[in-house]
Amino acid sequence: QSALTQPASVSGSPGQSITISCTGTSSDVGGYNYVSWYQQHPGKAPKLMIYEVTNRPSGVPDRFSGSKSGNTASLTISGLQAEDEADYYCSSYTSSATHVVFGGGTKLTVL
Amino acid sequence: QVQLQESGPGLVRPSQTLSLTCTVSGGSISSGDYFWNWIRQPPGKGLEWIAYIYYSGATYYNPSLKSRVTISLDTSKNQFSLKLSSVTAADTAVYYCARAYPTTWPFDIWGQGTMVTVSS
Repeated sequence: QSALTQPASVSGSPGQSITISCTGTSSDVGGYNYVSWYQQHPGKAPKLMIYEVTNRPSGVPDRFSGSKSGNTASLTISGLQAEDEADYYCSSYTSSATHVVFGGGTKLTVL
Repeated sequence: QVQLQESGPGLVRPSQTLSLTCTVSGGSISSGDYFWNWIRQPPGKGLEWIAYIYYSGATYYNPSLKSRVTISLDTSKNQFSLKLSSVTAADTAVYYCARAYPTTWPFDIWGQGTMVTVSS
């Protein structure tokens, strides 16, 4: 069982917006603004999409945005495109002994 | 542009030691700005952080694997390595090396990953 809780799957049609949640505790998501989001296509390595809750690395489209409220962080993808279909993972710094924890992943299907 | 590349055997026998190396190109592993990490992903499952090493040689391990894991650094070759002992089928996974910023922990650069199967 992963330390952070994500929905197993979400779906949306091209052009629509979707949001993926990532729920933790006050020891990780709620306690620090160190949440990251990764996109992983089949057979590929994860790619950093969001860091420190809301920041996008250079080259990541502004259709991807992050936010946080309490112990839950969220990734929103607006204007869905076919190439957004992938697995998405959240991670957070944690004050526990592991230092960093991941969510179980969410499969995004673009209908 | 920094790139990471994993290398090592794709098949390891049960109870043996898994050994992998990550070669860093396009930047120095001794720069002091990053943690150098190993992360794994069992087939069809999520990501699990294994360990990191800093340029100084300081290390930190996932407590769930600590008794079996060793991470080391070879600055002359710009490489860092992972050893996981007493492997079982549960250690079958894609193993990634990745770079992370200290404190804030985004893994911003990843290797392509290498599949390691534990089987007799």
